[in-house]
Order: sequence, then structure tokens, then C-alpha cells
Amino acid sequence: DIKMTQSPSSLSASVGDRVTITCRASQNINNYLNWYQQKPGKAPKLLIYTASNLQSGVPSRFSGSGSGTDFTLTISSLQPEDLATYYCQQSYSALRTFGQGTNLEIK
Amino acid sequence: QVQLKESGPGLVKPSETLSLTCTVSGGSINDYHWSWIRQSPGKGLEWIGYIHYSGSTNYNPSLKSRVTMSIGTSKNEFSLELNSVTAADTAVYYCALDSGSYYGMDVWGQGTTVTVSS
Repeated sequence: DIKMTQSPSSLSASVGDRVTITCRASQNINNYLNWYQQKPGKAPKLLIYTASNLQSGVPSRFSGSGSGTDFTLTISSLQPEDLATYYCQQSYSALRTFGQGTNLEIK
Repeated sequence: QVQLKESGPGLVKPSETLSLTCTVSGGSINDYHWSWIRQSPGKGLEWIGYIHYSGSTNYNPSLKSRVTMSIGTSKNEFSLELNSVTAADTAVYYCALDSGSYYGMDVWGQGTTVTVSS
């Protein structure tokens, strides 16, 4: 299996801050990396697909980058509604795997 | 726009079989991969597996011996069976549309809570 490791596991930031979450794959996954946002009590929602493509309807303050084994999700200016847990997921392998999640809190 | 909704018993006894159905509306099940993901209380997302409309499947190796996925005869639903359940299988179960390696899981159901308890 391809193991996905996110860092940090949790972080606290203020409204307006630039926030970066990283995801590392245990092997090369090219750019087959997706990011999801899960708000409390809700189903996950796709934010970014194939490392850097913004899903329709997602605010432009979200962006993704990376290839190979190292990837980042960036929120350019944190908003109160961004309180959520963020997950990366690889779709390189037919056996899909998720990172352990990053819990984002608003200060 | 495709929408998904999970249904099934909210309580299952230990050692029995968990059975869930995901109903697809607003689109056809004929294409793509149809996934199941679960989330234990306070934990992260765990991919259970997916089924292609052709019937081919891929399962998480950690659950493979206990999982069966199928496409419903009405062709607008797909199902999950997990046998020999224990308390560790208590979770919110989500179905999702996996639009392929490039597009990710772009449609999710709302989730259904399953508790394993006697």
C-alpha cells in the first residue's frame, strides 16, 4: 500500500493568515493527489484534484502544488468557514489511501 | 448532478453482517468507480474499496477477507456487505463516486452511522 503522511496533524491560525499543509507519499505518485475538506459533522468535500486543479465552486484562496512524493495545500487568507479537517488522498494506485488528516482550528 | 444516499440498519450485532446500499440519483451508474469509505469515531477516513459498473472490484487489503461489493439489479444502486463485524467496525460509512485517478472522489453521500453492539 502507498502510505500518505500529513503534517502537521493539527494547527491553529488566525483569520487572514496564510496556511500550508503538507502531504508526503511513501512512493512516487506522479501528481495523482487529491485534497478534501471535512467540516464537523459533514461528509468530506473534494477541494483539489490531481495536485493543483481547483474543484468547481471551491474558493480561489485554496491552491495545491507538488508532484512525485511531496505535496502542499495552501489557504492564502484563512477565513472562519475554513475550520475543518483536511485530508490528502492518492489516486495513483487502484488501492486508494488517505492521509491521517490535519485538524485546522481558528484562533 | 449526481447525488448519493446511503441506507441500511444503524445497529448490527457482533459477528453478524453489515449491509448498506447507496442509491444513485441524477446520473447513471454506468461508468466510473463507486466507492465505500468509513470513519470510526474521532478518527480519519479509511477507504474500504470500490466497484466498477462492470462488476470488477478493488478492496482494502485489511478488509478484503470480509468485504463484498455489488451493483444492484436496478442499476441505480450499489451495495456493501461486511461480515463478522466487531465493535471496531462501528463508524460512519460513506459512499462516493470515484471519477478516476485524475478527478478524485468528487461526489459523496451524507454518510450513515453504523454501530456494532449486542
